[in-house]
Order: sequence, then C-alpha cells, then structure tokens
Amino acid sequence: DVKVTQSSRYLVKRTGEKVFLECVQDMDHENMFWYRQDPGLGLRLIYFSYDVKMKEKGDIPEGYSVSREKKERFSLILESASTNQTSMYLCASSMGGKRQPQHFGDGTRLSIL
Amino acid sequence: TQLLEQSPQFLSIQEGENLTVYCNSSSVFSSLQWYRQEPGEGPVLLVTVVTGGEVKKLKRLTFQFGDARKDSSLHITAAQPGDTGLYLCAGSVRRDFGNEKLTFGTGTRLTIIP
Repeated sequence: DVKVTQSSRYLVKRTGEKVFLECVQDMDHENMFWYRQDPGLGLRLIYFSYDVKMKEKGDIPEGYSVSREKKERFSLILESASTNQTSMYLCASSMGGKRQPQHFGDGTRLSIL
Repeated sequence: TQLLEQSPQFLSIQEGENLTVYCNSSSVFSSLQWYRQEPGEGPVLLVTVVTGGEVKKLKRLTFQFGDARKDSSLHITAAQPGDTGLYLCAGSVRRDFGNEKLTFGTGTRLTIIP
C-alpha cells in the first residue's frame, strides 16, 4: 500500500515564525501536492510538483513556498506564519499520467497563535 | 479557477434511508473522482468517472457523471453507519506532459444515525 507520511499530526506556532511541514511518500510517485482544508471550503491546492526540483503554484500560494530536493519528499514552508494560516494541511502523491488517484497523508493540524 | 459546489453541505439521516449528494460546476472536466474522508484521516478514492453519462456502482453507492461532464452525483441506497464521513468530489484538469490537477468540491458531511 502507498504510504504518505506527514511529520506532525498537530503543530502550534506563533505569528511571524517560519514553519516547515514535511511530507514523505514511499511509492516512487512523480507527483506531490499540498492542500489546506477548511470547513465549507473543501480542499484548496497550495502548491504541487511533477518532478524533483520542479514546483507550480496552485490556487492559493500566497504566504507559502515549497521545496522538493528529493523525489520522495515535499516540504511546505510558511515564510512568516499568520493567524489566517491556521488550518488542516494535507499532503498527497500520485503517479504521473491521467486519472491517477491521489494518496493522502493523515494531515497536520496547524494552529498559529 | 474552476469551482465545484457540493450540496447539501450537511446531511443527517436514519440508517436504511436513501440519499443523493450533488457536485456541480460551470466548467468541463476531463474526469471526476469521488473521495471519502473519515475523522483523523486523509481522503481515500472511491471511484473515477470519465465519460459523459457514465454510471458506476460500488456496492450500495452509485456514481453518475453528467452528460456535459460538468456535474456528478452520488446516490447511496440503504445507508449504513459505516457510510458516515466527508464526501468530496474532485474534477480533473489536464496539465502539461499528461499530468492532471484536481479541483476539489466543498464537501458533504454525511451522518448516518443507527
């Protein structure tokens, strides 16, 4: 089975801190994604990557950056955390190509105080 | 940005009843996926529909893709407590090199009361 592991289930940080969320997948998937999930808004795509060292902005990239130095690892960075970035963050991976299912981690609930 | 609206946002029904969840957009998608998410876990894929008008069945769950590939529905027959969860539709948009990006719907939180 595909395993997508997010480094923390819960995280509490302060406004202005630089925050790193880590995600690792073990199935050699080409594609990796970062979403945030808020009630009533579903999942919104922050950034995605189709290859190592490659990244593309999603629908809500402002205030975030990403890093993909190795194929299995995709990091989300909050440059200067703000309270409106309090949310559930979900990482996903998929094989390349059409109609591939995305496999999700269990999420990181991030609170910015 | 394509938007996918799901209705209803919340649904609470008795065990054994039937229900339908809707997923609507003004955009055309190359395919549409349905996911279910349980508390404390990430979403898990239930089904992918590809062709306009396509109907797929997964035990008591029936999924339909609209003829114009802009909308979809999920019908559950004789709902059971194990069907409780957050249901998310996701429309697929083709990107470069054959890859695809998903746009997720707003979600329907379903509770089945024993």
